[in-house]
Amino acid sequence: GIQVEQSPPDLILQEGANSTLRCNFSDSVNNLQWFHQNPWGQLINLFYIPSGTKQNGRLSATTVATERYSLLYISSSQTTDSGVYFCAVNRDDKIIFGKGTRLHILP
Amino acid sequence: KAGVTQTPRYLIKTRGQQVTLSCSPISGHRSVSWYQQTPGQGLQFLFEYFSETQRNKGNFPGRFSGRQFSNSRSEMNVSTLELGDSALYLCASSWGLADNEQFFGPGTRLTVL
Repeated sequence: GIQVEQSPPDLILQEGANSTLRCNFSDSVNNLQWFHQNPWGQLINLFYIPSGTKQNGRLSATTVATERYSLLYISSSQTTDSGVYFCAVNRDDKIIFGKGTRLHILP
Repeated sequence: KAGVTQTPRYLIKTRGQQVTLSCSPISGHRSVSWYQQTPGQGLQFLFEYFSETQRNKGNFPGRFSGRQFSNSRSEMNVSTLELGDSALYLCASSWGLADNEQFFGPGTRLTVL
């Protein structure tokens, strides 16, 4: 089946820093979503981005479907950005999640 | 617009018991998917329901089952609980099939003792 790999697995940054999270997938997909899981377990939708680039405030995402990767950019990090970031792809009507990137933003 | 709701939020059961979890999707959404999240296996797809029919199923034993009602609310049931079933169970809803944007509920944290 399709493999979804996220990197880096862990990232520790100082408040105000910028970061780039990567999601690679091994085969073509129908769509791709980025989520932020908060400390209480809730998955928050960030982007629904099968291809192209989207921006929402300090966050932006780019998916290059032909090269099978997606990037999530976080600028001017805040402590509230801490948590786990997941990408999830849809293939054959099943959603496959990566293992996530755990982000720690230090004050 | 209300989000996806799940009940109960926390549950403690003992081995051998069964449990039923409930998920109410966003109004107008017809697809409900269920996921299990554990530290070891991450987020894994359980099954998807659309218009009361199971469309897809992940690689879980038959002890895991579900159903969807005509109002799109869904329940999942786990019979003969095992310690390894301790997990966060998340449901997600989407307007169309699961390849549409999915929105998640807060989850039910199940502990099996």
